[in-house]
Amino acid sequence: DIQMTQSPSSLSASVGDRVTITCRASQGISNYLAWYQQKPGKVPKLLIYAASTLQSGVPSRFSGSGSGTDFTLTISSLQPEDVATYYCQKYNSAPITFGQGTRLEIK
Amino acid sequence: QVQLQESGPGLVKPSETLSLTCTVSGGSISSYYWSWIRQPPGKGLEWIGYIYYSGSTNYNPSLKSRVTISVDTSKNQFSLKLSSVTAADTAVYYCARHVPYYYDSSGYYRTGGWFDPWGQGTLVTVSS
Repeated sequence: DIQMTQSPSSLSASVGDRVTITCRASQGISNYLAWYQQKPGKVPKLLIYAASTLQSGVPSRFSGSGSGTDFTLTISSLQPEDVATYYCQKYNSAPITFGQGTRLEIK
Repeated sequence: QVQLQESGPGLVKPSETLSLTCTVSGGSISSYYWSWIRQPPGKGLEWIGYIYYSGSTNYNPSLKSRVTISVDTSKNQFSLKLSSVTAADTAVYYCARHVPYYYDSSGYYRTGGWFDPWGQGTLVTVSS
């Protein structure tokens, strides 16, 4: 099975900072990658699919890039409401797998 | 818009079978794939499996021997059964629509595979 590894596992940043989260696949997955945001006690919310396509209604400060094995989620200017755990998910083939998550906090 | 709601017992005894149902409202269950995903307390997300409205299924190999997902199109529902549960199966169980394809900005058909929307989730505890 293809493993998805996110880094860092947690990070703390200041409001207004540019934040980058990385997701690495153990084998190439083209652009078959999605990103989710899960706020504490809430349901995961789709942010990005096809590695870089922003889901409707998601703020434009979120962006995704990458292809093959290396992917990034970037928040261009961190806002207090962005405190959450972020997960990547690959879907090129079954089994569908998620990264272990990156917990983002405000410094 | 489409909404999903999980229902079922919140407590299951070890070695018994966990049974949950997801009711889809605001749209038809037909023409889509539907998934179950779980999240143990304080941990990450694990895909359990999906079903097409026609009844075809695909399960996570790590759970395949214990999982059955079924669909009832007349009730706009799909269900999960997980047998021989242990404490390791304690988790919040989510149902979600599995988006199998989309059309890109140029109008080309593209393969999908993400989950949207999700149900609110239901905590199932395995304990005697």
